[in-house]
Amino acid sequence: GAGVSQSPRYKVAKRGQDVALRCDPISGHVSLFWYQQALGQGPEFLTYFQNEAQLDKSGLPSDRFFAERPEGSVSTLKIQRTQQEDSAVYLCASSPTRDSRNYGYTFGSGTRLTVV
Amino acid sequence: ILNVEQSPQSLHVQEGDSTNFTCSFPSSNFYALHWYRWETAKSPEALFVMTLNGDEKKKGRISATLNTKEGYSYLYIKGSQPEDSATYLCAFTANAGKSTFGDGTTLTVKP
Repeated sequence: GAGVSQSPRYKVAKRGQDVALRCDPISGHVSLFWYQQALGQGPEFLTYFQNEAQLDKSGLPSDRFFAERPEGSVSTLKIQRTQQEDSAVYLCASSPTRDSRNYGYTFGSGTRLTVV
Repeated sequence: ILNVEQSPQSLHVQEGDSTNFTCSFPSSNFYALHWYRWETAKSPEALFVMTLNGDEKKKGRISATLNTKEGYSYLYIKGSQPEDSATYLCAFTANAGKSTFGDGTTLTVKP
């Protein structure tokens, strides 16, 4: 596609509910990143894929968070048993290469998750 | 934990003013520094990718400089316009993987 597409755009979940956030990166982009952005702060790294391989998941805040990219294109970020502190904007970004020295990220519009 | 600091946190200027803000990052293991502009209700948009000490990049009225030895980058906007109003994020990369973002500088340009 022309850009990075994320869905849903907004999600309201009851505490304890499971949610799944989808990211469609630009076709052919090798690298895919998930970031979490709390109000008034910069994006915080969650996890990174190179094709289908999850190379870094050090930013996932707990074992309730799980991400996958099984075919090296679409990625899903799943949050189990949501808590209020999970409320944030979840940003997905992709890059055409493994090397960030040549390209910046292309971001999606984000999914705003509100846990009530 | 990598510390990426941006200052000021917010800035209000009049149309036509020139302005600048700072991104500070670790001076060791530098790989790349990115600047992004994030307008309300839109996606962050890449402005510059900076890789070499002394780099200067320019796009229209916006320019950026890089000092990797002392760990800072400046973003300059000449003759600010209302459409420049946005949050400006810098992101530091220590290797070919993830970037660490600052909290951003929010610029408001009053007509």
